[in-house]
Parts: sequence; structure tokens; C-alpha cells
Amino acid sequence: KNEVEQSPQNLTAQEGEFITINCSYSVGISALHWLQQHPGGGIVSLFMLSSGKKKHGRLIATINIQEKHSSLHITASHPRDSAVYICAVTGGSQGNLIFGKGTKLSVKP
Amino acid sequence: NAGVTQTPKFQVLKTGQSMTLQCAQDMNHEYMSWYRQDPGMGLRLIHYSVGAGITDQGEVPNGYNVSRSTTEDFPLRLLSAAPSQTSVYFCASSHKYRVTYEQYFGPGTRLTVT
Repeated sequence: KNEVEQSPQNLTAQEGEFITINCSYSVGISALHWLQQHPGGGIVSLFMLSSGKKKHGRLIATINIQEKHSSLHITASHPRDSAVYICAVTGGSQGNLIFGKGTKLSVKP
Repeated sequence: NAGVTQTPKFQVLKTGQSMTLQCAQDMNHEYMSWYRQDPGMGLRLIHYSVGAGITDQGEVPNGYNVSRSTTEDFPLRLLSAAPSQTSVYFCASSHKYRVTYEQYFGPGTRLTVT
């Protein structure tokens, strides 16, 4: 079993829809990261959180430490949100990043 | 700041050739790491460093060497390339490991080994 599981693997939405991407993990963590990888390949950090909720523009990230689960929400989705969204946790014995396989989001106009 | 830079962007090697992927950061970050990204898999840690002169192995270190002589640079060496090393390689840095610090990624190097 992977230590970090994301769902869904692929997601297609219409512009304007509310989107949720889920991440579950099985290890103890000190932080959870949401990353975005655009078709060009570059990876940028969207959020880093260890409790509660964070909001940046139309993006919201939540984490439930007890349930070992996090969600990334996108409100009023737009085609420019099309990307792969990656969940990663800082955990394990060395405190390195452990990555999920990513969720490929496509937003149609 | 340039952030995290990687060179080259693309590289084609023949089996058995050696090469070095360069990574540099100008943010005075202590922690630097190398990952490979393969289709259908999450990024996997190859090697990491928590400071100049200190390196350690990650999940998939075989076939790769690293060194960290300065805070800024963290090159990844392939001593004898194999087709299984065809992948996209990302270098990343952050202030510290084991702590909640934002990760900064380089643009990636797409390597093909024939």
C-alpha cells in the first residue's frame, strides 16, 4: 500500500465547477504539501499545512490530522487550473517528502 | 533570486555514458534533494543533503552519486547510464528538513538513455 494515496487519478470538469481532490496518508507527518505541476513540467508549491485550513485565492486546502486526510478545493474552476496536483507529506524516519502519484485535472471551457 | 536552477533541460545519453546533472540554488537553503519522476509513479527521492558536506541516500539511490561541497550546488552524477534511468529529474531545496518549510523545485531535466 502506498503511503500517500490521492483520488481521483484523473478529473475532468467544466469551467466554473467546484473541484475537490483528496489525499490520504498512512505515516506520521510534520507537514502536508500540495503542489501543482503544469504541462510544461515545472512544479510549484501551493500550500504547506500541518493543521486546519489555508486559503489562497480560489484554492483552499484542509487537513484532518486525526483522520490522516487532506483535501484541495478549487472554487470557480478555470481552464488555466488544468494541471497535475500532487500531495506530499513530510514524514517517515528521515523527515523527507513522500509523494502521491498526482491527480490530473482538466478543466474544459 | 533565480531560485533553483537545473542544467541541462534535455539530455540524451547512450548506455554506459556518464554525465552530471547540475543543480544550484541562491536562497541559502540547507536542504537539497534530487527526485526522479516516472509515468504512473510519484516523485521518488534519489539522494538528499542537509548541508554542505553531508549527503544521504533516498529511496532509489542505485546508479547515482552526489556531493555537496557548497551550500549552493548539489550535482547528481550518473556514472554509467542505463535505460532504466530514463526519467525526468527534479532538484529541490528548502530551509530545513523535518520542519514545515516550503519546497522549491527546479524546472527539471528530461533524460533519455538509449
